[in-house]
Amino acid sequence: SQQGEEDPQALSIQEGENATMNCSYKTSINNLQWYRQNSGRGLVHLILIRSNEREKHSGRLRVTLDTSKKSSSLLITASRAADTASYFCATDASYGGATNKLIFGTGTLLAVQP
Amino acid sequence: NAGVTQTPKFRVLKTGQSMTLLCAQDMNHEYMYWYRQDPGMGLRLIHYSVGEGTTAKGEVPDGYNVSRLKKQNFLLGLESAAPSQTSVYFCASTGSWNYQPQHFGDGTRLSIL
Repeated sequence: SQQGEEDPQALSIQEGENATMNCSYKTSINNLQWYRQNSGRGLVHLILIRSNEREKHSGRLRVTLDTSKKSSSLLITASRAADTASYFCATDASYGGATNKLIFGTGTLLAVQP
Repeated sequence: NAGVTQTPKFRVLKTGQSMTLLCAQDMNHEYMYWYRQDPGMGLRLIHYSVGEGTTAKGEVPDGYNVSRLKKQNFLLGLESAAPSQTSVYFCASTGSWNYQPQHFGDGTRLSIL
């Protein structure tokens, strides 16, 4: 079964607007990661946030983590047409790198209109 | 730097046929994974390996076998393909220390008729 559920399933915005995607998960985690998948390609890692972190930034990306609510959000600011892709959250519940197994959410399909 | 390479990229099989998907990584990673991706379901873990000569079951292992004879290669086998195994298969690898992202190949699109 999926660990993560993402909301919304699909999102369409205009270039320059911000995009926010949410992820909820079920069990305690070691870290949470966000990935991007362009059509017909493999997943590309965007950002990793540890369970003891609350917020992390990378360029135009901002990730928050609320372990009490078992939820995370990904904010993409000043979106571009090139940001059009599916975005997945993934949780790692393994201890100390024992397996680094990930459980993926169902993804959010983001379309950025030029 | 090739990263993670999957072969073949596309394949069509008939029900009951067998085949092997190959994953190769050049990053000296200890851990490797096989996933399948179906519409609306995200990625699901089939099998994984935490080192050469080791394998373990993931979430959906039935109908698949794997081998990790060399550190850089991870093979996924379908002994008797079924239409339910029509999917896109992704391989990934990562290091063995904590807080590591996974690196993905571009997938194998497999159709079983």
